[in-house]
Amino acid sequence: DAGVIQSPRHEVTEMGQEVTLRCKPISGHNSLFWYRQTMMRGLELLIYFNNNVPIDDSGMPEDRFSAKMPNASFSTLKIQPSEPRDSAVYFCASSLVSSYNEQFFGPGTRLTVL
Amino acid sequence: GNSVTQMEGPVTLSEEAFLTINCTYTATGYPSLFWYVQYPGEGLQLLLKATKADDKGSNKGFEATYRKETTSFHLEKGSVQVSDSAVYFCALSHSNTGNQFYFGTGTSLTVIP
Repeated sequence: DAGVIQSPRHEVTEMGQEVTLRCKPISGHNSLFWYRQTMMRGLELLIYFNNNVPIDDSGMPEDRFSAKMPNASFSTLKIQPSEPRDSAVYFCASSLVSSYNEQFFGPGTRLTVL
Repeated sequence: GNSVTQMEGPVTLSEEAFLTINCTYTATGYPSLFWYVQYPGEGLQLLLKATKADDKGSNKGFEATYRKETTSFHLEKGSVQVSDSAVYFCALSHSNTGNQFYFGTGTSLTVIP
């Protein structure tokens, strides 16, 4: 099992540019989560999907952020336009729908907005 | 609502010392409880879990017992190693919020030789 796959692993961009982060969950998992981690705010849940449907996006910081899950094996998190304060490590995690089941995290994408 | 409070860090210990990282939770009913570990430059990975009261989760010498009466899930290890240096996160999930996880703020542990 390849685990959760995220790309790119590192992204450096300039303020105002569009950034797209990608995630492939573990095959068979039906829940997908996007998190952001910074030193100041720790680990924050941005949005999560069950069966490709967004369930809770209350953690999305503002309209510049959007996430999609067009099918069970792919999700994107887009920031447009990006700002320096978006610099963080973004994690994707997947699981089976159940409170007993662990979330499996990807390696993260380190985003730097100059 | 559901929440997790864990011990502030950072924690620095000598090799072979005893480790305790405190974690308490707020939730109605019976949530599932987890400890995750994050090594430098990596994502979080499950260390151990407990799904009902009085369960003990254990892995790699770490243990935590689900205490309903004190709403706690403290992480312990009898003898830490340098390789245990990492950030540790306590978390809960509950059927009343689907499978959304609530994470603590994380506790950084450094073990010195």
